[in-house]
Amino acid sequence: GAVVSQHPSRVICKSGTSVKIECRSLDFQATTMFWYRQFPKQSLMLMATSNEGSKATYEQGVEKDKFLINHASLTLSTLTVTSAHPEDSSFYICSASRGGRGETQYFGPGTRLLVL
Amino acid sequence: QKEVEQNSGPLSVPEGAIASLNCTYSDRGSQSFFWYRQYSGKSPELIMFIYSNGDKEDGRFTAQLNKASQYVSLLIRDSQPSDSATYLCAVNTEANAGKSTFGDGTTLTVKP
Repeated sequence: GAVVSQHPSRVICKSGTSVKIECRSLDFQATTMFWYRQFPKQSLMLMATSNEGSKATYEQGVEKDKFLINHASLTLSTLTVTSAHPEDSSFYICSASRGGRGETQYFGPGTRLLVL
Repeated sequence: QKEVEQNSGPLSVPEGAIASLNCTYSDRGSQSFFWYRQYSGKSPELIMFIYSNGDKEDGRFTAQLNKASQYVSLLIRDSQPSDSATYLCAVNTEANAGKSTFGDGTTLTVKP
């Protein structure tokens, strides 16, 4: 199979702090990883596309200085929410793909962030 | 016009019936098509992918693709209450090389 893990699954933090979320592909090498955000009862919103060894490509309206993405290896990508505020509270989901136009995205279980 | 459009629903079918979920897309260059299921509070999971025109069957699920009409559908036979979820249609284009454009999803409820 293609298993993707995320850590932590749930995090509560104070406003102004930074939170790091890890996404790992456990049994395959992920050329590309994607980060999504989903608010309650809303659709998936792509935040950025991350390719191993290069800078992430952010979607329009997503602040790259606030949402720092690092894809240091073919099995690990991290998303750091810097200076988190209550409006950043959301469900953050990563997905991983072997790459190529036809390749499926395999989703991690998601991280639920609550900023107080 | 959205790039990938789905009826938001909710779609309600009785247990044992066929559920039909539809998706249309705007980019004629689209190459790969995916259906994901997302239970409330969980992340999406892949059900099926289809690349070529026609039908593709996997158990109770059948994906149908018609590139000329730019639509892709998912049929769920013998629907079960456990199929109640939001179904997401996703489309990859050549230019995006693996990046998917998602529809907003159709919420399906299967009533016992």
